[in-house]
Amino acid sequence: GAVVSQHPSWVICKSGTSVKIECRSLDFQATTMFWYRQFPKQSLMLMATSNEGSKATYEQGVEKDKFLINHASLTLSTLTVTSAHPEDSSFYICSARIRPISYNEQFFGPGTRLTVL
Amino acid sequence: RKEVEQDPGPFNVPEGATVAFNCTYSNSASQSFFWYRQDCRKEPKLLMSVYSSGNEDGRFTAQLNRASQYISLLIRDSKLSDSATYLCVIETGANNLFFGTGTRLTVIP
Repeated sequence: GAVVSQHPSWVICKSGTSVKIECRSLDFQATTMFWYRQFPKQSLMLMATSNEGSKATYEQGVEKDKFLINHASLTLSTLTVTSAHPEDSSFYICSARIRPISYNEQFFGPGTRLTVL
Repeated sequence: RKEVEQDPGPFNVPEGATVAFNCTYSNSASQSFFWYRQDCRKEPKLLMSVYSSGNEDGRFTAQLNRASQYISLLIRDSKLSDSATYLCVIETGANNLFFGTGTRLTVIP
């Protein structure tokens, strides 16, 4: 089946540091990838939709200048948490959908656990 | 009102038991419905889609009630390996997925 990888799987950083998370589709091309965030005991919340070759679409309440998304190729999207603070500590998960769009399953990456001290 | 609401759980059931989860959604225009399974500190994985006529996959049965705007998941003959969090996921458009908070299931030996 389709595989989505994320790197790193976990990161611990100091407050004020910027952290980049990579999301790769390993055996398929993904024109659209999605970035979610999950706080403990809460549901996944969509942060943004990453479109290859164009600007990402951010959900309401998500700061685009703080969470920079770059989708430079059909197999790679990156999320950069700029000047991370403790409240940004969360589980960040990306997902991708196989084309054509009529196939509904989204494949999720293994997630990146970010801890900001 | 939340887009998706699930049974609060947790559910602790003995092996072999039958357990059912419900999930209600608020958007009557919702188009697609899914149950995902998420193990602790892991990513969600698709368990099954939910079709209008209801569908079954082994010990798992999913049903959709559009009139009452809810979906359900029934697990028969529970196994220890079924222990996980079950997420109800509703799609309202091409890329708009809404996740429930999940229901935690623990199957006890």
